[in-house]
Amino acid sequence: GNSVTQMEGPVTLSEEAFLTINCTYTATGYPSLFWYVQYPGEGLQLLLKATKADDKGSNKGFEATYRKETTSFHLEKGSVQVSDSAVYFCALIGGYSSASKIIFGSGTRLSIRP
Amino acid sequence: DGGITQSPKYLFRKEGQNVTLSCEQNLNHDAMYWYRQDPGQGLRLIYYSQIVNDFQKGDIAEGYSVSREKKESFPLTVTSAQKNPTAFYLCASSLSDSPLHFGNGTRLTVT
Repeated sequence: GNSVTQMEGPVTLSEEAFLTINCTYTATGYPSLFWYVQYPGEGLQLLLKATKADDKGSNKGFEATYRKETTSFHLEKGSVQVSDSAVYFCALIGGYSSASKIIFGSGTRLSIRP
Repeated sequence: DGGITQSPKYLFRKEGQNVTLSCEQNLNHDAMYWYRQDPGQGLRLIYYSQIVNDFQKGDIAEGYSVSREKKESFPLTVTSAQKNPTAFYLCASSLSDSPLHFGNGTRLTVT
């Protein structure tokens, strides 16, 4: 079945550092891919998405490119801020065996030092 | 503004009591979902419903029950049969295979 694997956290960086959070997936067919962000005590918010191979999703300075050849959707940001501290979830939906259920990775906690 | 409302934000119950968590959406979404999140962990699917009067078990449905009598509402009951009910519960909704919209969660503590 479909699955998503994220790098384990926590990830701790200094402000203005470059961020990469790795995400790889297993799916048949052509799933859509997402990154969600969860701030402390809140629900998840959609950060960005990509629906087909080579698409780049972007929002709030974050980017991720749908790479079918490497089955990856790594999240990147060129210069992180303290306000980016949160938990980030990679997710997919669709493909041939989705059963209309979104599959989440286990989440990566990001902490940014001032 | 459209969105998903979960209430209450914090809920405390004694062991052995059933408790119902509310989830209401005014997004006109067909599908609704309940997830459980434990500290430092990802989301686990409890139940989901794709249309009114129909719902399916997720990965961890034991000890939980739901109803979907109206499109806007998908309440979750945590029964006394749930062995470890203390957790953060998240409700979500979506249109078909579009991204999920989440509520702000209910933190349930059972002592």
